[in-house]
Amino acid sequence: GENVEQHPSTLSVQEGDSAVIKCTYSDSASNYFPWYKQELGKRPQLIIDIRSNVGEKKDQRIAVTLNKTAKHFSLHITETQPEDSAVYFCAATYNTNAGKSTFGDGTTLTVKP
Amino acid sequence: DAGVIQSPRHEVTEMGQEVTLRCKPISGHNSLFWYRQTMMRGLELLIYFNNNVPIDDSGMPEDRFSAKMPNASFSTLKIQPSEPRDSAVYFCATGQYNEQFFGPGTRLTVL
Repeated sequence: GENVEQHPSTLSVQEGDSAVIKCTYSDSASNYFPWYKQELGKRPQLIIDIRSNVGEKKDQRIAVTLNKTAKHFSLHITETQPEDSAVYFCAATYNTNAGKSTFGDGTTLTVKP
Repeated sequence: DAGVIQSPRHEVTEMGQEVTLRCKPISGHNSLFWYRQTMMRGLELLIYFNNNVPIDDSGMPEDRFSAKMPNASFSTLKIQPSEPRDSAVYFCATGQYNEQFFGPGTRLTVL
């Protein structure tokens, strides 16, 4: 089955700096890679996703890159703000599994004002 | 659309009692997932359904756990009998194609 590794497990940055979270996956058949943000006491919420036919996707201050050959993908947050503080999860999905995603263990991001 | 609806939002029960968690998916979503989240074990997939049919229940921890999806608009996760180590937040997520949308979760405490 699919295995997703996520690094780092914790990340602390100064407000205004950039943050990068990296994930690797094992199954080359995975073709959809979402990122979720979970604030304390809340549900995970999809913030950005990328499909295997695209190398990069950007939405305002967040961007995701995908390297299919190396089987890794990354989340980039620029100009971080205190409200970006949360746990971020990456996931890898093979769409014939009815959308079943394999999640990374999460990264706790702290943005210090 | 109200999003994924879960009930109850909080449940406190005593060891040995039966617990039933409920989920109403977003209309039109054909996949439904039950997750358990704890500090120690993170986010674990327990079981998922596609078109109301259970596809993979390999994440269900033991026979005390069971899940049903009798129709496209309702699913239950039952724990009988409950144990203190079942204390966690249980999320239901639904989706169409690949995206998953999570419900608010049920925080279960077993004393």
